[in-house]
Amino acid sequence: GAVVSQHPSWVICKSGTSVKIECRSLDFQATTMFWYRQFPKQSLMLMATSNEGSKATYEQGVEKDKFLINHASLTLSTLTVTSAHPEDSSFYICSAKGVAGLGETQYFGPGTRLLVL
Amino acid sequence: DQQVKQNSPSLSVQEGRISILNCDYTNSMFDYFLWYKKYPAEGPTFLISISSIKDKNEDGRFTVFLNKSAKHLSLHIVPSQPGDSAVYFCAASLDNFNKFYFGSGTKLNVKP
Repeated sequence: GAVVSQHPSWVICKSGTSVKIECRSLDFQATTMFWYRQFPKQSLMLMATSNEGSKATYEQGVEKDKFLINHASLTLSTLTVTSAHPEDSSFYICSAKGVAGLGETQYFGPGTRLLVL
Repeated sequence: DQQVKQNSPSLSVQEGRISILNCDYTNSMFDYFLWYKKYPAEGPTFLISISSIKDKNEDGRFTVFLNKSAKHLSLHIVPSQPGDSAVYFCAASLDNFNKFYFGSGTKLNVKP
């Protein structure tokens, strides 16, 4: 099946620093990747949708200058949390929608747990 | 405004019996509904889906039922196995899988 990886799996950083999370589709080309955030005991919340080679589309209430998304290739999207603060601590998950043949769902990465001190 | 709701945060079932997980939604424009299974510290894995034009889809031990008039879907697992213990999320798709809305999840515990 389709495999999506994320790196790192967890990160601890000081308040004010920036953190980059990578999302890769390992065995298929992903024209569209999605970034979600999950707070404890809550549902996955879509943050933004990124298409290869174009600017990401952000959901209402998500600061695009704080959560920078780059979808540089068909297999890689990155999320950078700039000037992270403790309230940004969360579980960040990416997913990828494949090119024809894998279009029936999104395939999720294992997630990245971010803790901002 | 949560468009997909799972009102039961947890469910406990004996091994071999049926597990029924429920999900309600508000948006009649959803085109697909999906169930995902999630283990701790892992991303969700796709389990089963159903198109909005169908009312039932079956895959092995897993069956999803869709009641459009009630805006309700359910996942049946028969027979339940201890390895099924996980958090189950229902999700609804708009625009052919380009936008997903997730419920808050139901933690299923299957007791041996």
